[in-house]
Amino acid sequence: KQEVTQIPAALSVPEGENLVLNCSFTDSAIYNLQWFRQDPGKGLTSLLLIQSSQREQTSGRLNASLDKSSGRSTLYIAASQPGDSATYLCAVRPGTYKYIFGTGTRLKVLA
Amino acid sequence: NAGVTQTPKFRVLKTGQSMTLLCAQDMNHEYMYWYRQDPGMGLRLIHYSVGEGTTAKGEVPDGYNVSRLKKQNFLLGLESAAPSQTSVYFCASRDLGSGKSSYEQYFGPGTRLTVT
Repeated sequence: KQEVTQIPAALSVPEGENLVLNCSFTDSAIYNLQWFRQDPGKGLTSLLLIQSSQREQTSGRLNASLDKSSGRSTLYIAASQPGDSATYLCAVRPGTYKYIFGTGTRLKVLA
Repeated sequence: NAGVTQTPKFRVLKTGQSMTLLCAQDMNHEYMYWYRQDPGMGLRLIHYSVGEGTTAKGEVPDGYNVSRLKKQNFLLGLESAAPSQTSVYFCASRDLGSGKSSYEQYFGPGTRLTVT
């Protein structure tokens, strides 16, 4: 059974720091992996999607990497800002339709 | 282009009452999903649909029913609400997957449901 883990559950960093969020999955047979951001009381906003054939995707200050063989993905945030404070979730798609979500990392960037 | 919308945003039910949550998307997506989000448990799939008139069970379907009579709408029903169904419910949709970004899921803002 596919399981997705995100460690740590919470993280506080000073503004300006570069940081890495981790996502681990137990079964390497995935179609893609998607990173989301969730602000308190809000829905999920898609940040980046990496297909299984890709190694990384970039959008602005965000870079997501995927290593299927080791069951890991990282989300790199450069020059963090207080506005980056949110919960970050990853999800893998192991089959045609369904997604399996991690429980998220709650990030706080201190001004 | 509103994306994915959900109604209502908040609701309080008494045990045993019924209600329907509505999800609507204007992106002509084939796939639609209902999730619940509980503290410490992440998002769990309740039911999903791969096209108009089709539905399928997800990870936690008990106590819920769904219908997809129109492609743009996906309804989630609670026939007899229980306190264990207190949660935040999210709807999502995505395309078939033929384009570059069409594998992405798009989420609604959520419905916060409390059952007393």
